[in-house]
Amino acid sequence: GAGVSQSPSNKVTEKGKDVELRCDPISGHTALYWYRQSLGQGLEFLIYFQGNSAPDKSGLPSDRFSAERTGGSVSTLTIQRTQQEDSAVYLCASSLEGVYTQGDDTQYFGPGTRLTVL
Amino acid sequence: QKEVEQNSGPLSVPEGAIASLNCTYSDRGSQSFFWYRQYSGKSPELIMFIYSNGDKEDGRFTAQLNKASQYVSLLIRDSQPSDSATYLCAVNPYTDKLIFGTGTRLQVFP
Repeated sequence: GAGVSQSPSNKVTEKGKDVELRCDPISGHTALYWYRQSLGQGLEFLIYFQGNSAPDKSGLPSDRFSAERTGGSVSTLTIQRTQQEDSAVYLCASSLEGVYTQGDDTQYFGPGTRLTVL
Repeated sequence: QKEVEQNSGPLSVPEGAIASLNCTYSDRGSQSFFWYRQYSGKSPELIMFIYSNGDKEDGRFTAQLNKASQYVSLLIRDSQPSDSATYLCAVNPYTDKLIFGTGTRLQVFP
């Protein structure tokens, strides 16, 4: 079946512009995560959606970052007034329920969006 | 203290050898542990998970978990150049999140 998809695959923007990144999770997955990965670095958690619950925004680095998930499926990550330090690969992942206590669930990653802020 | 720690490497092993990748975690309540592989320029992909103390084998891969020592490792037997990648350890200290380490870069040379 189809995996997690993200668009665009690459985005080059000028400092100060707003960008929108899109994620389509695996069909039926209720949990959706956004991460950021800078060159040579690990995964930095940004935000988490689970069903109809309020999102966990604890990882968002500033109020320039926001995300929404419409209809419990597609998610959009918006970065306003982009800065050069926002340049990174933005990864989206989804999982069936987001419950990992017995290892019967896991996160599946999309191919990522490489954002370059000039 | 970081929640999940890994040596960044690179770990260099010859082809055919055993590669041993290690990960320590800080939250004793962690219940599930995952190993992901990430090739350069690609997204992470799951290799295997473990949640019981001891060893779990899957083909050339063996995950080892020691909750008392808060330690999880991944052994790759008969390492191949195609195994060269960054290996990410992920830990579940909460029921709805995974916390990822920064990864260990493995290089397998012919």
